[in-house]
Amino acid sequence: AQSVSQHNHHVILSEAASLELGCNYSYGGTVNLFWYVQYPGQHLQLLLKYFSGDPLVKGIKGFEAEFIKSKFSFNLRKPSVQWSDTAEYFCAVILTDSWGKLQFGAGTQVVVTP
Amino acid sequence: EAGVAQSPRYKIIEKRQSVAFWCNPISGHATLYWYQQILGQGPKLLIQFQNNGVVDDSQLPKDRFSAERLKGVDSTLKIQPAKLEDSAVYLCASSLGTSGGEQETQYFGPGTRLLVL
Repeated sequence: AQSVSQHNHHVILSEAASLELGCNYSYGGTVNLFWYVQYPGQHLQLLLKYFSGDPLVKGIKGFEAEFIKSKFSFNLRKPSVQWSDTAEYFCAVILTDSWGKLQFGAGTQVVVTP
Repeated sequence: EAGVAQSPRYKIIEKRQSVAFWCNPISGHATLYWYQQILGQGPKLLIQFQNNGVVDDSQLPKDRFSAERLKGVDSTLKIQPAKLEDSAVYLCASSLGTSGGEQETQYFGPGTRLLVL
């Protein structure tokens, strides 16, 4: 069965540190890739997405992600985090011909300390 | 542009009671999804509608859960009777369609947090 794996369940880091969250999926075909973020008390928001083309995609709030097809990975990065980046981050995948069905990873809780 | 609306935001019920959740998708979005998110896990798809037809309900516990989208816009998800393990956040999402690319980008509502005692 296809799956989405997020490497860390919890990450704690200081402001201005760099952030990288890992995401791997197990599917050999074409995929659409997403990162969603859920700030405390708020709903899931789209951070960035990849469909095709340049494998380095930029999203909102200074986030970017790189699709590496050979590694089945779509890691999320931010060079310098802020306290306001404290949130839960979800990687999600849509498989081709799956009628748009999103499969989510378990999420990574990120806490940024002042 | 208005986002996905859901109500209620919170619900506390006792086991064996029934409960219903309502969702209004983004205007013009043909596809509507209901997800269950248990604490510490990613959302899991329960049911997907394309207009007023069901596309996928393979993960819906049909002995107690039901959903409808009669006019192809609003949708209702019902649980009857509820069990303790149904305590979760129920998320509604919508997308333009399922034809690939941008059409498949899903936008989420605020969710309904259900606690079954």
